[in-house]
Formats: sequence, structure tokens, C-alpha cells
Amino acid sequence: QVQLQESGPGLVEPSQTLSLTCVVSGGSISSGRYSWSWIRQPAGKGLEWIGRFYTTGITNYNPSLKSRVTISLDTSKNEFSLKLSSLTAADTAVYYCARFPGDSWGQGTQVTVSS
Amino acid sequence: QAVVTQEPSVTVSPGGTVTLTCGSSTGTVSSSLYPYWLQQKPGQGPRTLIFDTNNKPSWTPARFSGSLLGGKAALTLSGAQPEDEAEYYCLLWFSGFAVFGGGTKLTVL
Repeated sequence: QVQLQESGPGLVEPSQTLSLTCVVSGGSISSGRYSWSWIRQPAGKGLEWIGRFYTTGITNYNPSLKSRVTISLDTSKNEFSLKLSSLTAADTAVYYCARFPGDSWGQGTQVTVSS
Repeated sequence: QAVVTQEPSVTVSPGGTVTLTCGSSTGTVSSSLYPYWLQQKPGQGPRTLIFDTNNKPSWTPARFSGSLLGGKAALTLSGAQPEDEAEYYCLLWFSGFAVFGGGTKLTVL
């Protein structure tokens, strides 16, 4: 069973860039055909898909965030990362990493954008 | 970008049967959209309940099932338990882009 764990700063200042990492254990990030995805959820609201890195090398991003998002894989560390630039308070949320297809999700990490 | 629609709230009696649905603004939901159903309880992260229309992870109770019904994806709960009270999200894949529904709050009462 693959396990995922997010890590990153809990507090980021407005206009800065958020960097989050998802460490994958129990399986190789480069094997199989999987979508390594990031999802977020503002407090009291629904889930929003941010984007994915497909193991064939293709990336897809939510059109509403595309200009600010980069998702990449580091196969040497068996992890993938999210970078989200030009942060505003609207980016405050719990951020989850997940693998599709299947049922592997991280526990989530709270990110607050504030000065 | 496609819009995925779900009932905002549904109530079921303990032991009862209920079906939640997931529609798409692009038209009929088919297996090629690889429908997912996620369960999220208060204070917890989401968990995959159903993936690829009707496949279940090992932890999903047998009382949950996924299907396609009337042009939508459907999640049926047969024999509702108090612990099934949660938010349920549908997820559809549109050629590599994923879109979540707004979620259905299921109350067991």
C-alpha cells in the first residue's frame, strides 16, 4: 500500500511562492501509469483539483490556476512537489497530495497566507 | 471547464437505501470519465470510496456501490449506518483534467 505525506511551511506571506513536497513510500513514483496530483480545500468549502504530473511526463493544471502552478517529480527522492506563486489570502487551504487511480491520499497540510 | 453537479444535501434513515448522483455539464457521464466517489468526515481528509465507476478499495464497506444511472454516475448506499454520515464528493476526469463536484452532505437520521 503506497503512502503519501505532505510537508511544507504552514505560513507564507502574500505575493510569495508556496513550495510543498509529497513524499511517497511503499512504491516507486516512477513505476506504473499514475497521476500524482495536488488538491486543496479552503476551510468549510469543497475540494479543488490543482493539477497532476502523469508518469509519462505530461502535466495538466486547473485552468484557473495554470499561470501560477508548477508540479514536478523527483524520482531520486521518490517525491513530487507543488509550487504556487503570487499567493493571496484566497490560497489559504488544506493541501492534499494523492495518487490516481486508486485510493492513496496524504493526510493534508494546512497552508495559511498572511503577513 | 466542465461543471460537475451533486445534490447539496440528502437525508437517509438508518438501515435505509439512498442514491447520490453526479452529473456533468458536458452531457452524459460515462465510464470514460472514470468517476470517483470520495468520503470526507468532519475534521478528516478525504478517502476514496469508489474509483473508475464501480471499483472499491479494500476498506470500502460492501454496502457502498458505484454505477452509471440515467446519464450520471451514482453512489448507492444500502443499509445506511450512523457512521456513514459524511460529505461525499464526486470526481470526474476530462482528458487528464479533474473536476470535483460541490459535494453532498449525507445525514443519517
